[in-house]
Amino acid sequence: DAGVTQSPTHLIKTRGQQVTLRCSPKSGHDTVSWYQQALGQGPQFIFQYYEEEERQRGNFPDRFSGHQFPNYSSELNVNALLLGDSALYLCASSFLGISRSDTQYFGPGTRLTVL
Amino acid sequence: DAKTTQPNSMESNEEEPVHLPCNHSTISGTDYIHWYRQLPSQGPEYVIHGLTSNVNNRMASLAIAEDRKSSTLILHRATLRDAAVYYCILRPNNAGNMLTFGGGTRLMVKP
Repeated sequence: DAGVTQSPTHLIKTRGQQVTLRCSPKSGHDTVSWYQQALGQGPQFIFQYYEEEERQRGNFPDRFSGHQFPNYSSELNVNALLLGDSALYLCASSFLGISRSDTQYFGPGTRLTVL
Repeated sequence: DAKTTQPNSMESNEEEPVHLPCNHSTISGTDYIHWYRQLPSQGPEYVIHGLTSNVNNRMASLAIAEDRKSSTLILHRATLRDAAVYYCILRPNNAGNMLTFGGGTRLMVKP
Protein backbone atom coordinates (compact mmCIF):
# COMPACT_ATOMS: atom_id res chain seq x y z
CA ASP A 1 0.00 0.00 0.00
CA ALA A 2 1.69 3.18 -1.18
CA GLY A 3 1.76 6.00 1.29
CA VAL A 4 1.58 9.68 0.42
CA THR A 5 3.74 10.51 -2.57
CA GLN A 6 4.95 13.92 -3.69
CA SER A 7 6.69 15.18 -6.80
CA PRO A 8 9.15 16.51 -7.56
CA THR A 9 11.58 15.81 -4.73
CA HIS A 10 13.56 18.98 -5.29
CA LEU A 11 12.97 22.09 -7.34
CA ILE A 12 14.94 25.25 -8.03
CA LYS A 13 13.17 28.36 -9.32
CA THR A 14 13.97 32.05 -9.64
CA ARG A 15 12.08 34.98 -8.16
CA GLY A 16 8.89 35.85 -10.00
CA GLN A 17 8.41 32.40 -11.49
CA GLN A 18 5.50 30.08 -10.84
CA VAL A 19 5.68 26.53 -9.48
CA THR A 20 3.33 23.53 -9.26
CA LEU A 21 3.82 20.76 -6.72
CA ARG A 22 1.93 17.49 -6.80
CA CYS A 23 0.63 15.07 -4.20
CA SER A 24 -1.03 11.68 -4.30
CA PRO A 25 -2.79 10.72 -1.06
CA LYS A 26 -2.60 7.42 0.72
CA SER A 27 -4.97 4.83 -0.72
CA GLY A 28 -8.48 5.26 0.71
CA HIS A 29 -7.94 8.86 1.83
CA ASP A 30 -10.12 11.69 0.54
CA THR A 31 -8.57 14.80 2.08
CA VAL A 32 -5.30 16.53 1.28
CA SER A 33 -3.63 19.25 3.32
CA TRP A 34 -0.57 21.28 2.40
CA TYR A 35 2.05 22.63 4.81
CA GLN A 36 5.10 24.85 4.41
CA GLN A 37 8.13 24.14 6.58
CA ALA A 38 10.91 26.71 6.69
CA LEU A 39 14.34 25.56 7.82
CA GLY A 40 14.46 24.92 11.56
CA GLN A 41 10.76 25.56 12.11
CA GLY A 42 7.63 23.46 12.44
CA PRO A 43 5.28 23.01 9.48
CA GLN A 44 2.72 25.78 8.86
CA PHE A 45 -0.73 24.93 7.49
CA ILE A 46 -1.46 26.38 4.05
CA PHE A 47 -4.85 24.89 3.12
CA GLN A 48 -6.91 21.73 2.98
CA TYR A 49 -8.91 20.20 0.14
CA TYR A 50 -11.89 17.89 0.49
CA GLU A 51 -14.41 16.96 -2.20
CA GLU A 52 -12.41 19.08 -4.66
CA GLU A 53 -12.96 22.26 -2.66
CA GLU A 54 -10.75 24.31 -0.39
CA ARG A 55 -12.21 23.74 3.10
CA GLN A 56 -9.74 25.50 5.36
CA ARG A 57 -6.98 28.01 4.77
CA GLY A 58 -4.10 29.20 6.90
CA ASN A 59 -2.49 32.62 6.88
CA PHE A 60 -1.02 32.51 3.39
CA PRO A 61 -1.48 35.03 0.54
CA ASP A 62 -3.52 34.40 -2.58
CA ARG A 63 -0.30 33.62 -4.47
CA PHE A 64 -0.75 30.17 -2.94
CA SER A 65 -3.55 28.24 -4.61
CA GLY A 66 -4.47 24.64 -5.04
CA HIS A 67 -6.62 22.08 -6.67
CA GLN A 68 -7.95 18.63 -5.89
CA PHE A 69 -8.82 16.20 -8.65
CA PRO A 70 -11.60 13.57 -8.71
CA ASN A 71 -9.04 10.87 -7.85
CA TYR A 72 -8.22 12.88 -4.67
CA SER A 73 -4.73 13.87 -5.80
CA SER A 74 -3.83 17.50 -5.37
CA GLU A 75 -1.66 20.31 -6.67
CA LEU A 76 -0.19 23.31 -4.91
CA ASN A 77 0.55 26.33 -7.08
CA VAL A 78 2.64 29.29 -6.02
CA ASN A 79 2.78 32.38 -8.24
CA ALA A 80 5.27 35.26 -8.26
CA LEU A 81 7.81 33.36 -6.18
CA LEU A 82 9.69 35.22 -3.46
CA LEU A 83 12.97 34.27 -1.81
CA GLY A 84 10.97 33.64 1.38
CA ASP A 85 8.99 30.89 -0.34
CA SER A 86 12.05 28.66 -0.14
CA ALA A 87 10.98 25.79 2.11
CA LEU A 88 9.97 22.16 2.36
CA TYR A 89 6.40 21.74 1.16
CA LEU A 90 4.61 18.85 2.81
CA CYS A 91 1.43 17.14 1.74
CA ALA A 92 -0.67 15.22 4.25
CA SER A 93 -3.67 13.02 3.59
CA SER A 94 -6.47 11.80 5.83
CA PHE A 95 -9.97 10.42 5.64
CA LEU A 96 -12.87 12.74 6.43
CA GLY A 97 -15.60 10.41 5.30
CA ILE A 98 -18.14 8.62 7.46
CA SER A 99 -15.50 7.05 9.70
CA ARG A 100 -13.44 10.16 10.37
CA SER A 101 -9.82 9.47 11.16
CA ASP A 102 -7.78 11.64 13.48
CA THR A 103 -4.50 10.72 11.87
CA GLN A 104 -2.75 12.62 9.10
CA TYR A 105 -0.19 10.85 6.96
CA PHE A 106 2.59 13.01 5.56
CA GLY A 107 4.60 12.63 2.40
CA PRO A 108 8.37 13.17 2.26
CA GLY A 109 7.95 16.71 0.94
CA THR A 110 9.21 18.79 -1.96
CA ARG A 111 12.22 20.99 -1.28
CA LEU A 112 11.73 24.30 -3.13
CA THR A 113 14.64 26.69 -3.49
CA VAL A 114 13.99 30.19 -4.87
CA LEU A 115 17.05 32.05 -6.14
CA ASP B 1 -5.65 28.89 19.17
CA ALA B 2 -4.40 27.24 22.34
CA LYS B 3 -0.60 27.05 22.40
CA THR B 4 1.86 24.45 23.58
CA THR B 5 5.28 24.90 25.19
CA GLN B 6 8.01 22.32 24.79
CA PRO B 7 11.74 22.30 25.60
CA ASN B 8 13.85 23.03 22.53
CA SER B 9 15.96 19.92 22.95
CA MET B 10 16.51 16.87 25.13
CA GLU B 11 19.11 14.14 25.33
CA SER B 12 18.66 10.50 26.16
CA ASN B 13 20.75 7.36 26.33
CA GLU B 14 19.89 4.43 24.13
CA GLU B 15 17.61 1.81 25.72
CA GLU B 16 16.55 4.16 28.52
CA PRO B 17 13.05 5.65 28.92
CA VAL B 18 12.43 9.18 27.69
CA HIS B 19 9.83 11.59 29.04
CA LEU B 20 9.03 14.48 26.70
CA PRO B 21 7.00 17.20 28.44
CA CYS B 22 4.44 19.57 26.94
CA ASN B 23 2.64 22.44 28.67
CA HIS B 24 -0.71 23.61 27.37
CA SER B 25 -2.23 25.72 30.13
CA THR B 26 -4.87 27.33 27.85
CA ILE B 27 -6.27 24.03 26.57
CA SER B 28 -10.04 23.95 26.12
CA GLY B 29 -12.35 21.08 26.94
CA THR B 30 -12.66 19.88 23.34
CA ASP B 31 -8.96 20.06 22.41
CA TYR B 32 -7.31 16.75 21.63
CA ILE B 33 -3.60 16.38 22.43
CA HIS B 34 -1.68 15.01 19.46
CA TRP B 35 1.97 14.04 19.16
CA TYR B 36 3.80 13.79 15.87
CA ARG B 37 7.48 13.28 15.25
CA GLN B 38 9.69 14.18 12.32
CA LEU B 39 12.71 12.04 11.60
CA PRO B 40 15.58 13.66 9.66
CA SER B 41 14.75 14.27 6.00
CA GLN B 42 11.21 12.91 6.37
CA GLY B 43 7.71 14.27 6.78
CA PRO B 44 6.08 14.20 10.22
CA GLU B 45 4.54 10.93 11.39
CA TYR B 46 1.74 10.38 13.87
CA VAL B 47 2.76 9.03 17.26
CA ILE B 48 -0.26 9.13 19.57
CA HIS B 49 -3.20 11.26 20.68
CA GLY B 50 -5.60 11.52 23.59
CA LEU B 51 -8.28 13.65 25.20
CA THR B 52 -8.40 12.99 28.95
CA SER B 53 -7.20 9.48 29.74
CA ASN B 54 -3.71 8.09 29.40
CA VAL B 55 -3.13 6.27 26.13
CA ASN B 56 -0.77 3.51 25.05
CA ASN B 57 0.16 2.20 21.63
CA ARG B 58 3.04 0.28 20.11
CA MET B 59 5.13 3.42 19.69
CA ALA B 60 4.66 5.29 22.95
CA SER B 61 2.51 6.21 25.92
CA LEU B 62 0.77 9.50 26.54
CA ALA B 63 0.27 10.64 30.11
CA ILE B 64 -2.21 13.51 30.52
CA ALA B 65 -2.35 15.54 33.72
CA GLU B 66 -5.62 15.51 35.60
CA ASP B 67 -6.22 19.22 34.88
CA ARG B 68 -5.12 18.63 31.25
CA LYS B 69 -2.74 21.60 31.39
CA SER B 70 0.23 19.40 30.62
CA SER B 71 1.07 16.05 29.09
CA THR B 72 4.08 13.80 28.71
CA LEU B 73 5.04 11.57 25.83
CA ILE B 74 6.86 8.49 27.08
CA LEU B 75 9.17 6.40 24.94
CA HIS B 76 9.79 3.28 27.00
CA ARG B 77 13.15 2.32 25.50
CA ALA B 78 14.77 4.91 23.28
CA THR B 79 16.60 3.68 20.21
CA LEU B 80 18.85 5.60 17.85
CA ARG B 81 15.96 5.56 15.39
CA ASP B 82 13.87 7.63 17.83
CA ALA B 83 16.12 10.66 17.30
CA ALA B 84 13.69 13.19 15.84
CA VAL B 85 11.80 16.43 16.48
CA TYR B 86 8.71 15.70 18.57
CA TYR B 87 5.72 18.01 18.22
CA CYS B 88 2.95 18.36 20.79
CA ILE B 89 -0.17 19.75 19.09
CA LEU B 90 -3.60 20.75 20.35
CA ARG B 91 -6.34 20.04 17.85
CA PRO B 92 -9.87 21.30 18.45
CA ASN B 93 -12.53 18.72 17.78
CA ASN B 94 -13.93 20.82 14.94
CA ALA B 95 -10.60 21.68 13.34
CA GLY B 96 -11.12 19.54 10.28
CA ASN B 97 -7.82 17.76 10.87
CA MET B 98 -5.73 20.95 10.51
CA LEU B 99 -2.60 20.71 12.66
CA THR B 100 -0.91 23.75 14.21
CA PHE B 101 2.75 22.89 14.80
CA GLY B 102 5.03 24.70 17.22
CA GLY B 103 8.80 24.41 17.40
CA GLY B 104 8.85 20.93 18.92
CA THR B 105 11.54 19.19 20.98
CA ARG B 106 14.63 17.87 19.26
CA LEU B 107 15.45 14.52 20.89
CA MET B 108 19.02 13.31 20.63
CA VAL B 109 19.72 9.67 21.53
CA LYS B 110 23.24 8.72 22.55
CA PRO B 111 24.53 5.16 22.01
